[in-house]
This record gives sequence, C-alpha cells and structure tokens, in this order.
Amino acid sequence: QKEVEQDPGPLSVPEGAIVSLNCTYSNSAFQYFMWYRQYSRKGPELLMYTYSSGNKEDGRFTAQVDKSSKYISLFIRDSQPSDSATYLCAMTDIIQGAQKLVFGQGTRLTINP
Amino acid sequence: GAVVSQHPSRVICKSGTSVKIECRSLDFQATTMFWYRQFPKKSLMLMATSNEGSKATYEQGVEKDKFLINHASLTLSTLTVTSAHPEDSSFYICSASIGGGTGELFFGEGSRLTVL
Repeated sequence: QKEVEQDPGPLSVPEGAIVSLNCTYSNSAFQYFMWYRQYSRKGPELLMYTYSSGNKEDGRFTAQVDKSSKYISLFIRDSQPSDSATYLCAMTDIIQGAQKLVFGQGTRLTINP
Repeated sequence: GAVVSQHPSRVICKSGTSVKIECRSLDFQATTMFWYRQFPKKSLMLMATSNEGSKATYEQGVEKDKFLINHASLTLSTLTVTSAHPEDSSFYICSASIGGGTGELFFGEGSRLTVL
C-alpha cells in the first residue's frame, strides 16, 4: 500500500462547476498537508498549506483535512479553464518536515469552457 | 511566496556528455534544497537532499557518481548529470524550504533534459 493514494484521473468538468480532489494516506504521523498545482512542463506551485485537521479557505480554493479518516480534500469553486492542471497532494510529519515530503500521484484536471 | 529559479529550462545533449542544472533561491536563503525527478504522468521522485556546505544525501537507488550535487552557497545548488545516457532523459525539478520544519517546499520551474 502506498503511503499516499490519489486518483490520477483524468477529471474533466465544465466551467463553473465545483471540483473536488482527494487524497488518502496511511501514516497517522502526518501533520502538514499541502496541495500543489502543476501546469504542463512547469514546476509545482504551492496552492494550499494546512497544519493538522480543519479547513482552510483562500479565494475559490478550500482545503480540508480529516485526520480521523486520513483523508484530505481540495475544493475549487467556480472553476475556470485556467484551473486546468495537475494537482498534487503532499504531506509530511513534524519530525521529517520538508526532508521527506510524500507526494500523491497527481490528478489531471481539465475545465472545459 | 518564496521564489526558486531553475536554469536551463530545456537542454538537449549528446550521449556521454555532462549537463549542469542550476537552482537558485531568489529572495531567501536555503540551507537545504531538494532535487526531484519526474517521469511523464508520474509524481515527483526525490533524488537527493542538498545541504549547504556538506555532502548531499542521496535516496536509495540514485547513483551519486552519476548525479553530482553541489550546494556552494545558501542560494545556489547545482545538479550535474555526468556521462548522460538516453535513459537519463527526464524532467528534473529543484525545490527549497524556507525552514522552520513546516514542510512547505517551493519549486523551481523544472529542467527538461533530452539525451540523444
């Protein structure tokens, strides 16, 4: 079993739809959770960062962490064609920090005009 | 957010030659930088951790003599692919942490290496 599982998609939705992206994980020690957006042939861009459980909102993006279920989500409201990209979840524990960031496989998302 | 610059973005070389990729933290000092490799439609694979002023720490299965890493200053790390072969063709991405143990990583734009 992989430490982090993420459905690779592809996921295709119409413009304006609400998008839900998810990851599950097995390591209960993970405390830091991140979502990265990666456009084709570019490096990943940090989108959302969450510590421990709870929700975090930034504009059209909301990150949720449910540690009891070992499940994290990223919601995109009013999706735009410019949101089309691969979204990677990433997580680590307090001890390892950035040293051992574990990534999901990434979900390819396409927003259709 | 913190800015990490990577150069070159694309490089094509002949088999047997060496290629150097630079990674710079532009607006912060990074005592630690990370080098990743990414295959098409795959996630990021950590190759090594680059520590300023000391030897890099390589992940299992990564040849340290093949992928030379130098972290000469607090803002610059370099990855040299030595005696490149076609199977080394890949997307190489560096990243840096702002520290504090929070796990946030900021990535460069990536370098696409093609070995003919």
